[in-house]
Amino acid sequence: NAGVTQTPKFRILKIGQSMTLQCAQDMNHNYMYWYRQDPGMGLKLIYYSVGAGITDKGEVPNGYNVSRSTTEDFPLRLELAAPSQTSVYFCASNPSGRRQETQYFGPGTRLLVL
Amino acid sequence: GENVEQHPSTLSVQEGDSAVIKCTYSDSASNYFPWYKQELGKGPQLIIDIRSNVGEKKDQRIAVTLNKTAKHFSLHITETQPEDSAVYFCAAISPRAGGTSYGKLTFGQGTILTVHP
Repeated sequence: NAGVTQTPKFRILKIGQSMTLQCAQDMNHNYMYWYRQDPGMGLKLIYYSVGAGITDKGEVPNGYNVSRSTTEDFPLRLELAAPSQTSVYFCASNPSGRRQETQYFGPGTRLLVL
Repeated sequence: GENVEQHPSTLSVQEGDSAVIKCTYSDSASNYFPWYKQELGKGPQLIIDIRSNVGEKKDQRIAVTLNKTAKHFSLHITETQPEDSAVYFCAAISPRAGGTSYGKLTFGQGTILTVHP
């Protein structure tokens, strides 16, 4: 298994541009998550999904959108990029989202908005 | 909601010494506490976890202790090696998340551990 994969690894955007961060997992996990990690800070949850067709907001959803059309893929969309969205983005998954179940993380996408 | 505080923010030790990282949490209902290691340019990787019905867990050079009364838990690394150098995150799962069954993972701020040869 490749686990959780993310593309691209790094991207520079201009203010106002849009882009989609891709995330895929091949472990047949139902739950998937998007986090952002700012320098010197822990990870904050942006959006999560409990299965195909179902998504919900996390702590910091403003400026982002997600979709979950398949079990494997969970893309994150930035519509109007702002400097405040400069961060490292991590996608994660776990089998069922039970409360005592660890999450598996992808390698991250580093985004710079100028 | 849950709040997790992690200390210290940086920790520098000599190879062979022990390292201890401490976290406190606010939600007494939290019941699962994983620790993640993040190497440069990579995503967090689980290294050890503990559930609320256990006070201590050990895996080779790594151990975690949990004090539910005081609402704090700690990571202990013994006989540190240069390859232990990384950022370590504690986290807690709170079952209270908008009434859903989803357990929200709240992270501490991270500790940069440097092990000098």
